[in-house]
Amino acid sequence: GDSVTQMEGPVTLSEEAFLTINCTYTATGYPSLFWYVQYPGEGLQLLLKATKADDKGSNKGFEATYRKETTSFHLEKGSVQVSDSAVYFCALSGQFNDYKLSFGAGTTVTVRA
Amino acid sequence: DAGVIQSPRHEVTEMGQEVTLRCKPISGHNSLFWYRQTMMRGLELLIYFNNNVPIDDSGMPEDRFSAKMPNASFSTLKIQPSEPRDSAVYFCASTYSQGPGEKLFFGSGTQLSVL
Repeated sequence: GDSVTQMEGPVTLSEEAFLTINCTYTATGYPSLFWYVQYPGEGLQLLLKATKADDKGSNKGFEATYRKETTSFHLEKGSVQVSDSAVYFCALSGQFNDYKLSFGAGTTVTVRA
Repeated sequence: DAGVIQSPRHEVTEMGQEVTLRCKPISGHNSLFWYRQTMMRGLELLIYFNNNVPIDDSGMPEDRFSAKMPNASFSTLKIQPSEPRDSAVYFCASTYSQGPGEKLFFGSGTQLSVL
């Protein structure tokens, strides 16, 4: 079935450092790919998405490119802030089962001042 | 818009008791989801409603779990009887489903502890 594998955490960075969280997927057809973020004590929020190959999703300085050849959707940010400390989830919805989001395990990111 | 509203935020109960979690989706949304989050299993989809009809309940753990959506603005997830292994954060999410790639809006969750 459809699944997502993302980089294990936790990840600890200093402010202004470069952040990369790896995400790869397994799916039939052409899934849609997402990054969701969860701040402490809150529900998940959509950070960015891409619905077809080579699309780049971007938001709040974060970017991820849908790479079908490598089945990847890695999340990047060039200069992190303390406020970026959160848990980040990679997710996909299948082409044939598009309501069902499959989430990765989540990566905890802590940014230190 | 107030967003997806869940109640209660925290629930502590004893094993064997009935627990009811509540969700009010965003007005106008036609799809509603219940998820469970644990350290061991991560985020699991329990059940999905579309236009108030349960479409996929394959993630519901067992007969002790039941979910209803009597109208477009309210849903419940009931556990009877509850067990310690049901302890988790339960999230409700909604969206207006128009096809692939729709954004889900999550509530703040209900932290359930079964002693």
